[in-house]
Amino acid sequence: DVQLVESGGGLVQPGTSLRLTCAASGFKFDDYAMQWVRQAPGKGLEWVSGVSWNGGAKHYAGSVTGRFTISRDNAKRSLYLQMSSLRTDDTAFYFCTKDIGSYTSGCLDGWGQGILVTVSS
Amino acid sequence: QSALTQPPAASGAPGQRVTISCSGSTSNIGSYTVNWYQQLPGTAPKLLIFSDNQRPSEVPDRFSGSKSGTSASLAISGLQSEDEADYYCAAWDDSLNGPVFGGGTKLTVL
Repeated sequence: DVQLVESGGGLVQPGTSLRLTCAASGFKFDDYAMQWVRQAPGKGLEWVSGVSWNGGAKHYAGSVTGRFTISRDNAKRSLYLQMSSLRTDDTAFYFCTKDIGSYTSGCLDGWGQGILVTVSS
Repeated sequence: QSALTQPPAASGAPGQRVTISCSGSTSNIGSYTVNWYQQLPGTAPKLLIFSDNQRPSEVPDRFSGSKSGTSASLAISGLQSEDEADYYCAAWDDSLNGPVFGGGTKLTVL
């Protein structure tokens, strides 16, 4: 079974940085693209960023371009999201997700439990 | 404002059939397949329908998807209390260069 476990969330002040980590198990990690999706409390889903199987192709939502960086370490079976210049509207649950393909397709067949990032002064 | 439009709420009695619509444009639904996700209260979303009308093996055949032009629909037949959840449609979007989600539909089983 696909298992995705996020860590690194918490309460931070506006303008600061935070790095999320997703530990993957139960599937051949380096065969699949991975994505981050977020959900503000009580709101809908918003795609944040995606990375191809080998890290060669990366995509970002306009709202995070230039502030967030996605990366992966296939040897460690881990996905990362480096978030900087955080704003209050970045407050959300962040889900690590597995794509069905090697390149980002947007079809997400595995989801972590989510981790809360709260940006507040 | 989401690029895909869903009704905010839907409801039905146990055993009934309910449909949830999802409207998009030529840059998303009109050009790419549609996926549907189910989010039970307090849990992470789960893939329910992919490639317009395909079900993962663990999803009951009470759930079905369809697409026509720039719109898609999710149908749930034989409604059960455990189907009470939020449902999201999604498709790749050329403008976003990533997947775009609908705003979600909260399904209530009466």
